[in-house]
Amino acid sequence: DIVVTQSPDSLAVSLGERATINCKSSQSVLYNSNNKNYLAWYQQKPGQPPKLLIYWASIRESGVPDRFSGSGSGTDFTLTISSLQAEDVAVYYCQQYYSSPLTFGGGTKVEIK
Amino acid sequence: QVQLQESGPGLVKPSETLSLTCAVSGYSISSGYYWGWIRQPPGKGLEWIGSIYHSGSTYYNPSLKSRVTISVDTSKNEFSLNLSSVTASDTALYYCASGRGPEYHLDYWGQGMLVTVSP
Repeated sequence: DIVVTQSPDSLAVSLGERATINCKSSQSVLYNSNNKNYLAWYQQKPGQPPKLLIYWASIRESGVPDRFSGSGSGTDFTLTISSLQAEDVAVYYCQQYYSSPLTFGGGTKVEIK
Repeated sequence: QVQLQESGPGLVKPSETLSLTCAVSGYSISSGYYWGWIRQPPGKGLEWIGSIYHSGSTYYNPSLKSRVTISVDTSKNEFSLNLSSVTASDTALYYCASGRGPEYHLDYWGQGMLVTVSP
């Protein structure tokens, strides 16, 4: 199984400031034949299911604000919230879908400082 | 817009079988997509259980494969999860979700159903 590790476990950021979450996979999730990274990011607010934010490591899902961006390739990825808003308080998960079983990172809790 | 809704017993006794159904609306299961189950123990992270295509092809997490069966009923536009021989460690919020492939990001999620395993 591909192990996906997120850091930090939690972070507190002031409103309007940048939040950065890291995700590392135990092996590359870059599929060379199509040059796509099989990595997604989800946002989960309390009492709600996860919501897809980013797929193919950097493609924003329709309707997701452009303050959310994904970057990285191979084994190292980053989710950036450029200007944290109150409604962004949530737990964020990365997920690899390069190989079965699909695996998720342990989550990063984002709070307001 | 695809919508998914889980249903089933919220309490299951140890050693029995957990059974959940996911009703799909706004989209025909037979039109494509893969339909799966993910669980989240209280206060913990996400674990993929498995998925199914409308043809019946299934994909399971090896860690649960010996106890899991996922099936699809295209006539009712729903799919189901059976998890046998449950223990307290199977207590979790169970989500149904969909993706465009068996190994894919998950576009749509149900609201989740809490299943508690207790005598």
